[in-house]
Amino acid sequence: GNSVTQMEGPVTLSEEAFLTINCTYTATGYPSLFWYVQYPGEGLQLLLKATKADDKGSNKGFEATYRKETTSFHLEKGSVQVSDSAVYFCALRMDSNYQLIWGAGTKLIIKP
Amino acid sequence: DAGITQSPRHKVTETGTPVTLRCHQTENHRYMYWYRQDPGHGLRLIHYSYGVKDTDKGEVSDGYSVSRSKTEDFLLTLESATSSQTSVYFCAIRASGGGDEQYFGPGTRLTVT
Repeated sequence: GNSVTQMEGPVTLSEEAFLTINCTYTATGYPSLFWYVQYPGEGLQLLLKATKADDKGSNKGFEATYRKETTSFHLEKGSVQVSDSAVYFCALRMDSNYQLIWGAGTKLIIKP
Repeated sequence: DAGITQSPRHKVTETGTPVTLRCHQTENHRYMYWYRQDPGHGLRLIHYSYGVKDTDKGEVSDGYSVSRSKTEDFLLTLESATSSQTSVYFCAIRASGGGDEQYFGPGTRLTVT
């Protein structure tokens, strides 16, 4: 079946460090891929997406590239801030039913 | 902001009691979803709706029922709450047109004692 695997957290970094959160997927067909972010005490917010191979999604300094050959959609940011502390979820969506399949989430902690 | 509210935001209830959670949207979206969020599991789909009175089961539907009598409201009911249903519950809508992304409400934290 379809599934998403994320690196386990928490990931702890210092402010201005480079961030990578790994996400790989298993899917039959060609899913759309998403990153959502959940700040403490809040609901999930769409961060970025990519709908086909080699697409790059970007938002708020975060980027992720849809790599079909490695079935990956790793999230990156060049210089993190304390305000980026949150839980990040990777998800895939098969366009046959538009349902989202979620990774377990990765908690990111940024220290000043 | 997709105009989604959930009520209550927090609830503590006893095992065996019925509980209803409400999701309300203001933008006339056709698709609505109920998820539960538990540590280590990400989000898991409970039920979804594709129109008034049209609903279907998700991955973890046992012990839950839903109703949608109006476009704007999607209710999740736990007929007889159990401790395993202690969780954070999120409602979502699918935005119509464009990318059809899902947008989420603020969540309801339910504790079953």
